[in-house]
Order: sequence, then structure tokens, then C-alpha cells
Amino acid sequence: LAKTTQPISMDSYEGQEVNITCSHNNIATNDYITWYQQFPSQGPRFIIQGYKTKVTNEVASLFIPADRKSSTLSLPRVSLSDTAVYYCLVGGLLEIKAAGNKLTFGGGTRVLVKP
Amino acid sequence: DAGITQSPRHKVTETGTPVTLRCHQTENHRYMYWYRQDPGHGLRLIHYSYGVKDTDKGEVSDGYSVSRSKTEDFLLTLESATSSQTSVYFCAISESSYRAVTGELFFGEGSRLTVL
Repeated sequence: LAKTTQPISMDSYEGQEVNITCSHNNIATNDYITWYQQFPSQGPRFIIQGYKTKVTNEVASLFIPADRKSSTLSLPRVSLSDTAVYYCLVGGLLEIKAAGNKLTFGGGTRVLVKP
Repeated sequence: DAGITQSPRHKVTETGTPVTLRCHQTENHRYMYWYRQDPGHGLRLIHYSYGVKDTDKGEVSDGYSVSRSKTEDFLLTLESATSSQTSVYFCAISESSYRAVTGELFFGEGSRLTVL
């Protein structure tokens, strides 16, 4: 399983762009990169997923370089409500027989947005 | 938001007692999971199910059992609760094998369990 490393915490201010980089040096060919957001006392929420290059949705952008050994989640113009823990996950197809999901969540990055 | 309901949301119990947590979904998703979340450990997979009566172990399955007799319900049982099982438990669901293995999960609100 590909292990991920991301910063423990980051501080930002309202209106700024926040970039969180996740390192996953042993990512496998079939692995996808997924980011989740978690607010206190809530379950994680899917934000974005990608395989290579750049993916953008209404919430964030995900940048993945050609070697795929890292990825960067970009949150444009953050607000106070973006204060949360952000998790980077790497996973892909395992045995087709079980099609099991053994995705590993790391400790996440705690983002604090200040006024 | 995906229709996932966990019950109970909060429970305090004593060491040695059995505890069952229930996850109920209204999405008709095939894949269901139980995670626990502890400070310093992030989210860790306990058990998961890939269909009715089809379950498998995750990375921290010792002391836990699961059952899935219907598509919509996934039960997590602690046969004899210990203080080390004090945690927040999250249920998650996924629509398909493709979405499951590539990481698109939908989580419930969590069940906070305290074992005294």
C-alpha cells in the first residue's frame, strides 16, 4: 500500500489560496489519489480525485506531476469555513476477487483559516 | 449527502460488555466499511463488506466482528468491549468496486463509544 506523507498543520487567512502537498513515493501504476475533508465531529467528505495532470471541480484543484510521486491540493480563496483536516489517500485496484478497499488514511493536515 | 445513518451516535459502556453499532444506508450501495478514528492514528479500517454476507478484515480487526444480512445494514460488534476500543467509529459506503478501490467513499456522522 502506498504510504502518504503530508504536513501536520497549516495556517492561512481568508481569501488566500491554500496548497497542501502530499508525498507518495511508492505509488503504484493503478493507484488513484483522493482527497477528503473532515470537520470536527463529522465524517470525512470526498473532495476530489485524480490519476495524473490536473483535475478541477467546484471546490478544489488537484495537481499531479508526471512522476506521480506527489500531489498538491489547491483550495482557492479560502474562508473560515474551510478550517478542517484534509486527508490525502492513495489506492487502487487490489485483487479483483475481493475488490476490497484497504485504503489507508494518514494523520491528515489540519488547516486553520484565520480572519 | 448520501443517506447513511449510524446508531447509536453516543454510547458509554463498561469493560466486558457487548456492544453493537449499526450502519444503515438508503443508497443501495454494495460496499460498506467500518473505520475507527483515534487521535494520532487518523482513520483505520476495521472491517468491510463487498456484498450481503460477504465481509473481510481490515487493518485493526482484532476484537471486532461484523455482519451484513441485508444490503442496507452493516453491524459492528464488540463481543467484550475494552478501554482500548474507546473511539469514534465511522461507517462508509461506496457505489461500485471501481469507486471503492479508487477511494470515493461516503461517510456517516460517526458513533462515539466510551468504554469505562
